[in-house]
Amino acid sequence: DSGVTQTPKHLITATGQRVTLRCSPRSGDLSVYWYQQSLDQGLQFLIQYYNGEERAKGNILERFSAQQFPDLHSELNLSSLELGDSALYFCASSEEGGSTEAFFGQGTRLTVV
Amino acid sequence: DAKTTQPPSMDCAEGRAANLPCNHSTISGNEYVYWYRQIHSQGPQYIIHGLKNNETNEMASLIITEDRKSSTLILPHATLRDTAVYYCIVAYSGAGSYQLTFGKGTKLSVIP
Repeated sequence: DSGVTQTPKHLITATGQRVTLRCSPRSGDLSVYWYQQSLDQGLQFLIQYYNGEERAKGNILERFSAQQFPDLHSELNLSSLELGDSALYFCASSEEGGSTEAFFGQGTRLTVV
Repeated sequence: DAKTTQPPSMDCAEGRAANLPCNHSTISGNEYVYWYRQIHSQGPQYIIHGLKNNETNEMASLIITEDRKSSTLILPHATLRDTAVYYCIVAYSGAGSYQLTFGKGTKLSVIP
């Protein structure tokens, strides 16, 4: 158990819909990272938040957004969903953003039908 | 794009040492080498990281060549539970930023 909690574990929704994925980082960790893993793209970095502020942005689509709340939990919002958005979405956290290891949650498997 | 090159797959006999190579010839002076692994579709798990010196922890050892252009992850006594995809990642650890770029990794199969 990494200490990072992601909910829900599984999500099935229709194209065009909007969903919210939730992540609770390890106690004391200030940074939260979101990754997408699909069969053809591998693990792709989406975005990082550090203590409530956006710190780094990767290959995140404009239809996707994220935020980190004062209690440090984070949400990833995915809208206007397409079939190609079906993937595993992982959240990770670390103490800071420096040379420390990141701890990954068990992921949310999103299926868009 | 990933800055590392790894063999796509390797086999290792149970109980033997697994040596996983990684080439990172374009690594810059302030970039670290990180190793993670992913068992089936679980979340990636941190293994070890280093800058220039060899490192060892309870899971593995990391050997980095003197020119830092390649490294080897060593699992001293592989078990069936070590079957996973192993990712070698080069990343700059600037203040507040920790962007890991995963490549395709090496699929390690531990054989009974």
